[in-house]
Amino acid sequence: DAGVIQSPRHEVTEMGQEVTLRCKPISGHDYLFWYRQTMMRGLELLIYFNNNVPIDDSGMPEDRFSAKMPNASFSTLKIQPSEPRDSAVYFCASRFPTGPIYFGEGSWLTVV
Amino acid sequence: RKEVEQDPGPFNVPEGATVAFNCTYSNSASQSFFWYRQDCRKEPKLLMSVYSSGNEDGRFTAQLNRASQYISLLIRDSKLSDSATYLCVVNMKTSNTGKLIFGQGTTLQVKP
Repeated sequence: DAGVIQSPRHEVTEMGQEVTLRCKPISGHDYLFWYRQTMMRGLELLIYFNNNVPIDDSGMPEDRFSAKMPNASFSTLKIQPSEPRDSAVYFCASRFPTGPIYFGEGSWLTVV
Repeated sequence: RKEVEQDPGPFNVPEGATVAFNCTYSNSASQSFFWYRQDCRKEPKLLMSVYSSGNEDGRFTAQLNRASQYISLLIRDSKLSDSATYLCVVNMKTSNTGKLIFGQGTTLQVKP
């Protein structure tokens, strides 16, 4: 069975550039989550969706970050403009209403 | 007070040792509990769910204490391959849906 699929796996970009991260959740999962992980701050929930509708975006750090889920099988996380402090690994995850959450392999972002 | 708290460790133990991790949570109405394992530069992966009556999976035993609001993970006969970060995860909504809250993780290093 296909798990959560993220792309790109690695991205290096210059400060000020737009970054778009993509995610395909596990088929049938109602919930989709975007997390960011750094050594300093650990795993942070940025935003999550239920049936394609954003439910809680209180973890989105600032207006430079935006997320969309146009359909049940696709979501994007966009950073515009990117800054060096955005360097982190970004995980997408999905789950049914009950039960555990399943993560993608992550998108490793470096902003120079 | 953090919603989910873990001792970050690190726990350094010899092979064959028994080690236990605790995790406390603040919301008494929490319904779902999980332990995840995260290897360096990898995504978190489900280790086991935690059931009210406690459950065991090979060398791993999970317990839930609702009165004191903590869950525990016991690893018996530690292997070198058990070295990882162990994350405690709690579902914070009474409806058993919605976002999961992650602890900051406990690092285990098993030494020969």
